[in-house]
Order: sequence, then structure tokens, then C-alpha cells
Amino acid sequence: TQLLEQSPQFLSIQEGENLTVYCNSSSVFSSLQWYRQEPGEGPVLLVTVVTGGEVKKLKRLTFQFGDARKDSSLHITAAQPGDTGLYLCAGATIQGAQKLVFGQGTRLTINP
Amino acid sequence: KAGVTQTPRYLIKTRGQQVTLSCSPISGHRSVSWYQQTPGQGLQFLFEYFSETQRNKGNFPGRFSGRQFSNSRSEMNVSTLELGDSALYLCASSLRGALNQPQHFGDGTRLSIL
Repeated sequence: TQLLEQSPQFLSIQEGENLTVYCNSSSVFSSLQWYRQEPGEGPVLLVTVVTGGEVKKLKRLTFQFGDARKDSSLHITAAQPGDTGLYLCAGATIQGAQKLVFGQGTRLTINP
Repeated sequence: KAGVTQTPRYLIKTRGQQVTLSCSPISGHRSVSWYQQTPGQGLQFLFEYFSETQRNKGNFPGRFSGRQFSNSRSEMNVSTLELGDSALYLCASSLRGALNQPQHFGDGTRLSIL
């Protein structure tokens, strides 16, 4: 079974602080996606990383795909209340059924 | 451009009943995937349909089934409902279903089993 372990599960910090969310697995993925989900809505794609070692920046968000394509991180600089939400990582499987395997999610709260 | 539409948004059923959920993908998208989201298990893949054929399947019992129509709209059916089936059911569409393509999610159907 291919699993993605996401940490931390919950994170509550003050506006302006930096944070990092981790997504780890013992399995290799062909690509990895990060989503953000708000209450009552479906997940919205933030980024897809495909190449081992790849780094992508989206304003204050920096995404990194591990060299071995087994792990990823999301770093937010100077967090703002609008960043509050559930962040999900999802890996595209290589073996077996072609599907996205999701991490459990990180519920992030940014306090003003 | 209209997004992915799921109906109904909320549904209450009792144990033993069956239910059908509907998903209309973004126009032009041929792949529709279904997911179950619960607080304990997170988002879990149910199945994917492409051009009216089930292409991939997750590890759910046979009570969970689906189909896709020629216009790419998809339905998911759950028979003999159990309390543990209470969840948010999400569908996602993409152009061709390649996993490095963006998956566009609907806002889900929240199913409650009494």
C-alpha cells in the first residue's frame, strides 16, 4: 500500500510567521500535487511538481519535490489569515492502479 | 467556464438503502474520478472513468459502483448503505486523466447515514 504521511496534522501560528508542511513516503511517485481545501468546498490545486529536486514558487508559497521523488514540502513565508485552510498533498502512483494517493492533510490556522 | 458540478450537495439516508450521486465534469473533460473523504481516513480514491469505461479502481467493496455517460457525466451508486459510508464524496475531472494533469474537484456531496 502506498501511503503519504503528512505532518503536522494541525498547525496554528500567528500572522507573519513562517511554516513548513511535510509530506513523506517510502514509495516513489511520478508527480506530486498540493491542494488547498476550504470548508464546504472541494480541494483546489496549488501546484504540481514532476521532477526530483524541483522547486516551485507561488508568491509566498514554496514547494519542493525530493530528489528521490518520495517526499515533498510546502513552505509558507509571512503567513496571512487568508492562508488558513486544509492543505493536502497527493502523489501519483507508479505501480498498480494509476491513481492519486492523498496525505491526511494539514489543518492550518493563521491567527491575526 | 463552469466548474465541476455535484448533485445533490447534501443527502440523508438510512442503513440498508441505496444512493446515487451525480457529477457533471468541466466541458471537454473526459476523465472523472471519485473520492471518499472522511475525518479518519482522509481522501481515498474510489474509481476513475474515462470515455465511459472504468479505467482504475480503488480498494472499496463492490457496493460502490459507478458509470459514465457519453457526455462524460458520471454517477456513483452505493448500495446497502452502512453507517461507515457517511462521508463527503468528491468527484474530480481532468482532460485525459493523466495524473500530472490538474484535477478539478467539485464541492462534493455530503452523505449522512442514520
